[in-house]
Amino acid sequence: DARVTQTPRHKVTEMGQEVTMRCQPILGHNTVFWYRQTMMQGLELLAYFRNRAPLDDSGMPKDRFSAEMPDATLATLKIQPSEPRDSAVYFCASGLSVDSSSYNEQFFGPGTRLTVL
Amino acid sequence: AQSVTQLGSHVSVSEGALVLLRCNYSSSVPPYLFWYVQYPNQGLQLLLKYTTGATLVKGINGFEAEFKKSETSFHLTKPSAHMSDAAEYFCGVTGFQKLVFGTGTRLLVSP
Repeated sequence: DARVTQTPRHKVTEMGQEVTMRCQPILGHNTVFWYRQTMMQGLELLAYFRNRAPLDDSGMPKDRFSAEMPDATLATLKIQPSEPRDSAVYFCASGLSVDSSSYNEQFFGPGTRLTVL
Repeated sequence: AQSVTQLGSHVSVSEGALVLLRCNYSSSVPPYLFWYVQYPNQGLQLLLKYTTGATLVKGINGFEAEFKKSETSFHLTKPSAHMSDAAEYFCGVTGFQKLVFGTGTRLLVSP
């Protein structure tokens, strides 16, 4: 049963610390999405990749957030330095896109619940 | 640009009653429309999707939705609610690769 995996599932850290969240997309999927979910803002798209290339990161605070795909089996979202307002659940999703104009179902991971004190 | 409006942040129904969750969309291109469900402490799971073709789409767990272009709507229905349907439901729209979600509707089911 293919699933998107995310680690860690929970992270508590102090303000100013670096946080790295990892995502393993479903094998064979070529698009990866990072979302943030909060009570106030709902689900926000932070960034997404196709064939490991970043296509859009306009939803991501550039000064402290960075997203990368070191290889096809790993996507990372890093926050440095972290702030209390970054507390949220961060979801990774993957999908299979035939071309740049098509869309296919996104499969979501279970999320990383981040608390910044 | 695409956007989604979900009417009602909370919907309460009794077990066995009709479920109706409303979604209106805006899209500058022919839309693909989705409904996802999120159970507590879990990620989102696809319920159903409309891309092209038949406007009445059937999904998992007895849910269905109808694409009405003239009304720019994609409402989610289920004839008879079950306690296990209690969750948060998200409508989404995309014209290309980005999926834009609504703010979600929490469905509460009472015995």
